[in-house]
Amino acid sequence: DAKTTQPNSMESNEEEPVHLPCNHSTISGTDYIHWYRQLPSQGPEYVIHGLTSNVNNRMASLAIAEDRKSSTLILHRATLRDAAVYYCIPRGNTPLVFGKGTRLSVIA
Amino acid sequence: ETGVTQSPTHLIKTRGQQVTLRCSSQSGHNTVSWYQQALGQGPQFIFQYYREEENGRGNFPPRFSGLQFPNYSSELNVNALELDDSALYLCASSLSVPQGGIQYFGAGTRLSVL
Repeated sequence: DAKTTQPNSMESNEEEPVHLPCNHSTISGTDYIHWYRQLPSQGPEYVIHGLTSNVNNRMASLAIAEDRKSSTLILHRATLRDAAVYYCIPRGNTPLVFGKGTRLSVIA
Repeated sequence: ETGVTQSPTHLIKTRGQQVTLRCSSQSGHNTVSWYQQALGQGPQFIFQYYREEENGRGNFPPRFSGLQFPNYSSELNVNALELDDSALYLCASSLSVPQGGIQYFGAGTRLSVL
């Protein structure tokens, strides 16, 4: 399993963009980069995933470095509902291996 | 489309007892995974079932066992409960695909062992 490094915590003002970084320097060539988040008192929730090129969906954007050793999850306008722990998980068809993630606080 | 549901939501047991947790997968999903989440930690993989067979196991002892039924619902059984088994137990269902299927999680069962 690729080892990941994420900041323990980050803070954002409401309606501002948030960039959540993740280092995964030992990622294998076939692993996708998955992001999940866990809101308080809920199970984890899928956010986005990608392999090499940048990806967008209704929740977020994922920017992947050209060497694939790092990625950044971008929330374009943070809302109070985005306050959660965000996990970056490189994987193939394997179980999810969660680290400690980044706890995002959103200030009104 | 119904989501993943788990029961019960909370449970209190005493050390040495046995417990069964239940999970109903999302419609059409053939894979179920179970995770244990201790307070303040990320979820830790227990095991996965694919088409009623165990298909991968994390670093958990044999007293953690499971079943997946033909309708893809699942059970997690824990025997000889220990105090350290107190945690949130999460079930996730998915389709098995090469790039790793999106896992859809239930809200979990919080188990307290006294």
